[in-house]
Amino acid sequence: DIQMTQSPSSLSASVGDRVTITCRASQDISNYLAWYQQKPGKVPKLLIYAASFLQSGVPSRFSGSGSGTDLTLTISSLQPEDVGTYYCQQYKSALTFGPGTKVDIK
Amino acid sequence: EVQLVESGGGLERPGGSLRLSCIASGFTFSNAWMSWVRQGPGKGLEWVGRIYSNAEGGTIEYAAPVKGRFTITRDDSKNTLHLQMNSLETEDTAVYYCATGVRSGYYPYWGQGTLVTVSS
Repeated sequence: DIQMTQSPSSLSASVGDRVTITCRASQDISNYLAWYQQKPGKVPKLLIYAASFLQSGVPSRFSGSGSGTDLTLTISSLQPEDVGTYYCQQYKSALTFGPGTKVDIK
Repeated sequence: EVQLVESGGGLERPGGSLRLSCIASGFTFSNAWMSWVRQGPGKGLEWVGRIYSNAEGGTIEYAAPVKGRFTITRDDSKNTLHLQMNSLETEDTAVYYCATGVRSGYYPYWGQGTLVTVSS
């Protein structure tokens, strides 16, 4: 089974800051990675698929990069509405979610 | 518009059984790969399992914690996905979501979830 880790587990940043979240896979997943945002009490929302493709309707301040075992999600300019928990998910072999990164505003 | 509506959640004692359902609309259900994902209270997302289309053999995959206890089935005539949960454990307490990317491993479409509580 492929295991996923994320770092950091939580972060606090100011509005306008650039934020980067890293996802690490226990083996090569190529670009079979998605990123989700979940706000409290809400259903997860797909942000990025295939490591770097922006889902329709998602603001362009979100971007994904990387391939293999180390992949990243970047928010270029953090906004108040970006508060929530972010999960990576691999779909190279079955599916696995990362443990999540909680983002809030400083 | 894609819609996924789960039902069947509730309170059950350890060792008991529950059957969840997910009614789908807005896409060709018979062609879709359908998954169950759960989220325990205050916890992260956990993939439960996936069923492929019957045209692709209807292969089913399960996560290790539920393998042998949970069974995923589909009824393409009713656009419905099921999750039969047996030998329930307190650790199975979670909101259970039905999700699909239609024919992808990433999920733009989620139901609202149904809460399963396992407690004595």
